[in-house]
Amino acid sequence: AQKVTQAQTEISVVEKEDVTLDCVYETRDTTYYLFWYKQPPSGELVFLIRRNSFDEQNEISGRYSWNFQKSTSSFNFTITASQVVDSAVYFCALSEEGGADGLTFGKGTHLIIQP
Amino acid sequence: EAGVAQSPRYKIIEKRQSVAFWCNPISGHATLYWYQQILGQGPKLLIQFQNNGVVDDSQLPKDRFSAERLKGVDSTLKIQPAKLEDSAVYLCASSLRGYGASYGYTFGSGTRLTVV
Repeated sequence: AQKVTQAQTEISVVEKEDVTLDCVYETRDTTYYLFWYKQPPSGELVFLIRRNSFDEQNEISGRYSWNFQKSTSSFNFTITASQVVDSAVYFCALSEEGGADGLTFGKGTHLIIQP
Repeated sequence: EAGVAQSPRYKIIEKRQSVAFWCNPISGHATLYWYQQILGQGPKLLIQFQNNGVVDDSQLPKDRFSAERLKGVDSTLKIQPAKLEDSAVYLCASSLRGYGASYGYTFGSGTRLTVV
């Protein structure tokens, strides 16, 4: 069975600080996909990134970066120079390739950026 | 391209009543998913359809929840009878083919259900 753990329930930082959100996953499959979603107070799920299990390259997109390490089953997300607009709940999720490919989500990390 | 449409946006019912939610996926998307998101938690997959067939309903409480996608397009999720613990946001998502992980998922805005 697959599982995603986001141990940080809530993080509060002051604007312009860097912040890292942790994600640890469990799966028996060799082919799988990892995702990060943002859920602002309005409630919609905003897709941020998808990474497959064969691509361990770190990725940077503006102020966002992701560190994927298969050796520790982690897929951490860092926001550099945080802004108030980054305040939201962030979810890490896992999907295994194949017919039954629904997402397994972590419990989410509530990120609060204080001005 | 229109997104995933869900209705109603909000619903308040009394416990033991019945309720139904509707989802219209993106045109051409073969796979449709229903998720339940209880306040303070991540979404949990309830059921996955590929066209009009069920791929995964292992987490669907079948004693009270049912879902259908009769023509392989739009879908209805029903709860009968509702319990207080069913209060949640019900999210619908779709993907282009049978492999949402590869092609990506598109989520609707959800239906917020409150059971009183």
